[in-house]
Amino acid sequence: DGGITQSPKYLFRKEGQNVTLSCEQNLNHDAMYWYRQDPGQGLRLIYYSQIVNDFQKGDIAEGYSVSREKKESFPLTVTSAQKNPTAFYLCASSIGTGYSGANVLTFGAGSRLTVL
Amino acid sequence: AQSVSQHNHHVILSEAASLELGCNYSYGGTVNLFWYVQYPGQHLQLLLKYFSGDPLVKGIKGFEAEFIKSKFSFNLRKPSVQWSDTAEYFCAVNDGAGSYQLTFGKGTKLSVIP
Repeated sequence: DGGITQSPKYLFRKEGQNVTLSCEQNLNHDAMYWYRQDPGQGLRLIYYSQIVNDFQKGDIAEGYSVSREKKESFPLTVTSAQKNPTAFYLCASSIGTGYSGANVLTFGAGSRLTVL
Repeated sequence: AQSVSQHNHHVILSEAASLELGCNYSYGGTVNLFWYVQYPGQHLQLLLKYFSGDPLVKGIKGFEAEFIKSKFSFNLRKPSVQWSDTAEYFCAVNDGAGSYQLTFGKGTKLSVIP
């Protein structure tokens, strides 16, 4: 079945450590996204990528980094510079072509990061 | 920047009651509008979308939404809710034609009591 796989599902990290969240899709979608979900805050865009080797900052990119070396993969690194990293992180993808395709998102199951 | 307001944080309804969840956005230009839903333990998924044309759009599971441009609104409705509609509902709007950036509202939790 086509979809998005995020790993790990749960992750614990000590303060000052970087951590990388994995996101893989087999939908052949061009665009990929990372969102952060906090209770009562909705979803906020961290980074997105329209094509391989290109990505743009979203609303809350500070303290995060991404790479897009392959079409199917879009890992997110939460760095020690992120002041409040404990959150639920959602990866998504979209066909990404044209006016109507860009915003119909398919989401992964999410990764819950807790900083101890 | 675009902003999206969902008026209710938590709505509690009995089965068979009618539902209307409010959503207002700030951007005045051409927009795409969405409702996404997150059922307990499941992935976020698309409920319905509006790109152009008939402002009354129908989605899955009997949901519909009406785009009222003059009010910058895209309210979600269902005439008769079921226990299985218990979920969190998110309104989302893009920043303009062809934009990849979706702005989400803070979400509304719907609890349906059997």
